Amino acid sequence: ETGVTQSPTHLIKTRGQQVTLRCSSQSGHNTVSWYQQALGQGPQFIFQYYREEENGRGNFPPRFSGLQFPNYSSELNVNALELDDSALYLCASSPGGLAGASGANVLTFGAGSRLTVL
Amino acid sequence: EDQVTQSPEALRLQEGESSSLNCSYTVSGLRGLFWYRQDPGKGPEFLFTLYSAGEEKEKERLKATLTKKESFLHITAPKPEDSATYLCAVKGSSASKIIFGSGTRLSIRP
Repeated sequence: ETGVTQSPTHLIKTRGQQVTLRCSSQSGHNTVSWYQQALGQGPQFIFQYYREEENGRGNFPPRFSGLQFPNYSSELNVNALELDDSALYLCASSPGGLAGASGANVLTFGAGSRLTVL
Repeated sequence: EDQVTQSPEALRLQEGESSSLNCSYTVSGLRGLFWYRQDPGKGPEFLFTLYSAGEEKEKERLKATLTKKESFLHITAPKPEDSATYLCAVKGSSASKIIFGSGTRLSIRP
């Protein structure tokens, strides 16, 4: 059973550029969530995808967008990068399924993509 | 709005010195309270899920408990390898998102 893999692990961009981060979900998981984690803070929810549709969004501007593919892998795109976008971006997959079912909401995280915006 | 507050922000203990971490939460219709461990440079790793007040879960030196407003992560006789950031998170019935607290950085001195 493979876990969640993310790429790239580290990247450096300049203000105004665009970035795409990629995530392969754990086998058998159909739901993917993206989080932003600033240094010393807890993860902040960006959005969630279920069966290729956005299924919930946090307080992030529209320049943060995403995709989920038929194999449940996902991308996070950020346009017009700002200095405050520097953070660890975490992807997490979960089994989904029936609301309230035991284990349905347990998140399995990847190691993250560390983005530095200069 | 769903909210999670963790305390203390940081905790330094001597090896073998037991203590507790606190997670206070506000959520509409709790669907689960989660504890995760995060090591530096890594993603969070799942520890426990609690669903209702009075529930308890144990794993090695860790024990998680839940009331209607708080959860505690009790650490008994900790070892240096227990050093990490411990994150608490909740899921409510009104939203798909899982909300995290800012974590407690635990350091165990040999």
